[in-house]
Amino acid sequence: LAKTTQPISMDSYEGQEVNITCSHNNIATNDYITWYQQFPSQGPRFIIQGYKTKVTNEVASLFIPADRKSSTLSLPRVSLSDTAVYYCLVGDGGGFKTIFGAGTRLFVKA
Amino acid sequence: DADVTQTPRNRITKTGKRIMLECSQTKGHDRMYWYRQDPGLGLRLIYYSFDVKDINKGEISDGYSVSRQAQAKFSLSLESAIPNQTALYFCATSDLLGEPNTGELFFGEGSRLTVL
Repeated sequence: LAKTTQPISMDSYEGQEVNITCSHNNIATNDYITWYQQFPSQGPRFIIQGYKTKVTNEVASLFIPADRKSSTLSLPRVSLSDTAVYYCLVGDGGGFKTIFGAGTRLFVKA
Repeated sequence: DADVTQTPRNRITKTGKRIMLECSQTKGHDRMYWYRQDPGLGLRLIYYSFDVKDINKGEISDGYSVSRQAQAKFSLSLESAIPNQTALYFCATSDLLGEPNTGELFFGEGSRLTVL
């Protein structure tokens, strides 16, 4: 199972773009990269998933370079409500192979 | 109503007591999971089930047992609770959707267990 490394915490201000990078040097050919968001005392919530290049949805963008050894979650114009923990996960689908690390604690300030 | 419902949401118990946490889902998913989260840490997988007849141990199954009573119900039991089992417990479901396979996990709101 591919291990991921991401910053422990990040601070930002409202209205800024936030980029959180995750390293996954041992990613396998069949692995997807998935990001979850977790608010205090709530279960994680799926944000975005990708395999290569760029994926964008109404919440975020995910940038994956050609070697797939890292990925960057981009949150445009964050607000206070984006304060949460963000988890980067790598796997070929299914929670039984999903390893949640400590995540990145994003704190958005006014 | 939530798609994944956990009961109880909060429970305080004493060392040695038997505790059951219940999870029910209306998403129609075959796969269900129990995770544990300790303060400041990520989630760790306790048990998972692919269908009613399939139960598998996860990363930290010692001291826990599970029962998959139906496709929609998956219970976690602590036969004899101990203080280091104090944690936030999450139930989740997922389904394989074919290609591309997201394997997206849908979580309940959590059950906070305190063992004194």
